[in-house]
Amino acid sequence: RKEVEQDPGPFNVPEGATVAFNCTYSNSASQSFFWYRQDCRKEPKLLMSVYSSGNEDGRFTAQLNRASQYISLLIRDSKLSDSATYLCVVTSLMDSSYKLIFGSGTRLLVRP
Amino acid sequence: DAEITQSPRHKITETGRQVTLACHQTWNHNNMFWYRQDLGHGLRLIHYSYGVQDTNKGEVSDGYSVSRSNTEDLPLTLESAASSQTSVYFCASSGGTSAQETQYFGPGTRLLVL
Repeated sequence: RKEVEQDPGPFNVPEGATVAFNCTYSNSASQSFFWYRQDCRKEPKLLMSVYSSGNEDGRFTAQLNRASQYISLLIRDSKLSDSATYLCVVTSLMDSSYKLIFGSGTRLLVRP
Repeated sequence: DAEITQSPRHKITETGRQVTLACHQTWNHNNMFWYRQDLGHGLRLIHYSYGVQDTNKGEVSDGYSVSRSNTEDLPLTLESAASSQTSVYFCASSGGTSAQETQYFGPGTRLLVL
């Protein structure tokens, strides 16, 4: 079983739609949680951190459920520019230091 | 502006050849990482370094080596390239070791081993 699992998609939605992605992680000792965004043939870039109380950044809302070990990302009022792959990332303590563990990503296509 | 660069951006090589991928960062970060990204997999950690002369093996280190002679550079060497090492390679750096530390990624190197 992968340590971080995501639905690969693609999620194909019209502009203005609301779309949500979920991600599950297997290591209950995971410390920190992030969403990264990766455009086609580009490097991953941090979109937002995910806090226990949930957090919002403009049209993006992230939630963490530690009991069920899942993380979610909600995108409201989708824009064409939101088309990308969204990587769920958790930090786990390995060999006395924190490592980023990446999901395979969920692809989002926003159509006009 | 501080940045992280990788070279070459694209490389085609033959099985058995030694290949070195360069990574250079001007953030003055202590921590540097090499990942590979393949279809159906998340980024997987190859090697990492927490400072000059420090190197550590990651999840998929077989067939790869790194050296850290200064803060700015962490070259990745494929000792004898294999077709299974065809992949996209990303270098990353970060300034600290806390669980919340953000990693900044280079633009990637696409490697094809024939």
